[in-house]
Amino acid sequence: KNQVEQSPQSLIILEGKNCTLQCNYTVSPFSNLRWYKQDTGRGPVSLTIMTFSENTKSNGRYTATLDADTKQSSLHITASQLSDSASYICVGSSGGSYIPTFGRGTSLIVHP
Amino acid sequence: DTGVSQDPRHKITKRGQNVTFRCDPISEHNRLYWYRQTLGQGPEFLTYFQNEAQLEKSRLLSDRFSAERPKGSFSTLEIQRTEQGDSAMYLCASSTGLAGLADTQYFGPGTRLTVL
Repeated sequence: KNQVEQSPQSLIILEGKNCTLQCNYTVSPFSNLRWYKQDTGRGPVSLTIMTFSENTKSNGRYTATLDADTKQSSLHITASQLSDSASYICVGSSGGSYIPTFGRGTSLIVHP
Repeated sequence: DTGVSQDPRHKITKRGQNVTFRCDPISEHNRLYWYRQTLGQGPEFLTYFQNEAQLEKSRLLSDRFSAERPKGSFSTLEIQRTEQGDSAMYLCASSTGLAGLADTQYFGPGTRLTVL
């Protein structure tokens, strides 16, 4: 059974600080891994997409890493802003299904 | 704005009533997905369409739930005889249907259902 586990469940940081969110995935056969940002009361929006051959992908202040051997991914946010307050969801897709596997998300709160 | 729209954005209903939600996907997208999301959880897959064909349904989709996508354009999700446990955010997403990375799902803003 495909699974995606995220940690921490929630995180509070001060504006301007960096943070790293973790994702462990068991998706087979592995196709790609996405990170989404979901603002409160809104639908998720894609931040990064990575295949097994990519180990780093950046999107502005967001940098995702992928270790296909350990089946771990991380999302690093640099110089956090108040607008980064949201839920960040890790999503794994397998080559054998059109239905991705979603993690529960990490709730990030950035305080001024 | 991702280009996927959902209506209504909020719905409050009494237990036992029927409700219907609408999703308008990005026009050139072949695939359309419905998800349910409760507080503190990630989206849970309900069903998806390839054009007008409903190809897969989750076991979460009880016989009180029905979804349609006539003519392969907009889709509707109906819940009959609503229960309090149906209270959740219902998300719609669409994708091109192309293979691999090109098949990114674009989500709508969701419909928040509250069953009293």
